[in-house]
Amino acid sequence: DGGITQSPKYLFRKEGQNVTLSCEQNLNHDAMYWYRQDPGQGLRLIYYSQIVNDFQKGDIAEGYSVSREKKESFPLTVTSAQKNPTAFYLCASSGSSLTGELFFGEGSRLTVL
Amino acid sequence: GENVEQHPSTLSVQEGDSAVIKCTYSDSASNYFPWYKQELGKRPQLIIDIRSNVGEKKDQRIAVTLNKTAKHFSLHITETQPEDSAVYFCAPDSNYQLIWGAGTKLIIKP
Repeated sequence: DGGITQSPKYLFRKEGQNVTLSCEQNLNHDAMYWYRQDPGQGLRLIYYSQIVNDFQKGDIAEGYSVSREKKESFPLTVTSAQKNPTAFYLCASSGSSLTGELFFGEGSRLTVL
Repeated sequence: GENVEQHPSTLSVQEGDSAVIKCTYSDSASNYFPWYKQELGKRPQLIIDIRSNVGEKKDQRIAVTLNKTAKHFSLHITETQPEDSAVYFCAPDSNYQLIWGAGTKLIIKP
């Protein structure tokens, strides 16, 4: 069953802790993205990667980090430096074009206690 | 940077009626204009898109129209059904990224 798998679906974190969200795709897509979604707002781009071992900051990269060691995987770490990390995080992938159809995972909801 | 606005923020229509959502953008270099649908608790999914060399595109009950001169594009849904209830996002491209609108909540009244 092809698609994008995000885990965990729900995550609770204490202040001061780092947490890593997993994103795996088996669509053989080159580009992968992380978005943050807050209530009543559009999706905001955190990081994106067009190719293995390369990634670029999006509009709200501060307090986040990523890696792209394999084509299939693009994990996101929410660090303690992120001031307001409670949000819904969406991973997506697309073919070679940065402006083609995005395929999304089911999302990870992070709550900081 | 690109400024994207959607109107209305909430739209309530009677089942069977039509719905229209408008998206305005500021980057005159935008060339790709998609609409995504996100049902409650689910992931966004592309429902229709259009590129700047085309003025209108239809897919069954949904259509997108583009006015590049005025810098806006619209989503049209005809014969609305309960399963059309969702939040709809426009996301025109700017500088090789998609810039997302805040979303329009579409409510279909029985």
